[in-house]
Amino acid sequence: QSVVTQPPSASGTPGQTITMSCSGSSSNIANNHVYWYQQFPGTAPKLLIYRNRQRPSGVPDRFSGSKSGSSASLAISGLRSEDEAEYYCATWDDSLSGPVFGGGTKLTVL
Amino acid sequence: QVTLKESGPVLVKPTETLTLTCTVYGQMGVSWIRQPPGKALEWLAHLFSNDDKSYNRSLKTRVSISKDTSKSQVVFTMTDMDPVDTATYYCVRAPSNIAVAGPHFDDWGQGTLVTVSS
Repeated sequence: QSVVTQPPSASGTPGQTITMSCSGSSSNIANNHVYWYQQFPGTAPKLLIYRNRQRPSGVPDRFSGSKSGSSASLAISGLRSEDEAEYYCATWDDSLSGPVFGGGTKLTVL
Repeated sequence: QVTLKESGPVLVKPTETLTLTCTVYGQMGVSWIRQPPGKALEWLAHLFSNDDKSYNRSLKTRVSISKDTSKSQVVFTMTDMDPVDTATYYCVRAPSNIAVAGPHFDDWGQGTLVTVSS
């Protein structure tokens, strides 16, 4: 079990805005930046959000990140079918002295 | 964009040692991350640009990371392999000091599926 928790699934309809969560503790999210990765089946993950809310070049502004206390969220607005993927949050854990990933949230676009 | 490519065996037997290599260019940090089929990502090890190393505490006694400068390769080894270690193993570019910069993994190799079976 990861020290960072994500709901296993989320769903939405095209055009909708969905939000997925990433919950941690004082040893990780509360005092460190959160990163989000998008992964399609059979492919390597791709960096989606860094330092809580920054988007790498090329990532649409439909994707946004936020952090409050020991939790973080990824929001996707204007949901599209091509957003259907697995989403992972990641952060540094001070107690473990290493990066930790959440268990991932599988997003289904209905 | 840096291209990283993993290479190594696709099949290892239980108790054997896994050795994977990743060809990289330039000064950067490199991490190894794995993903069992249908499961989440797990960080394994990191090589800083100054050759310092950091390991996942739960695997620390089994894993090792090093650099072969002459071949521009980062070498990852995991001893005493078990079927539960069956996973896709990724070589990933990272900031040199991920303890400061965080898990900013911005360039991933395609991954190599390693199956542990007798």
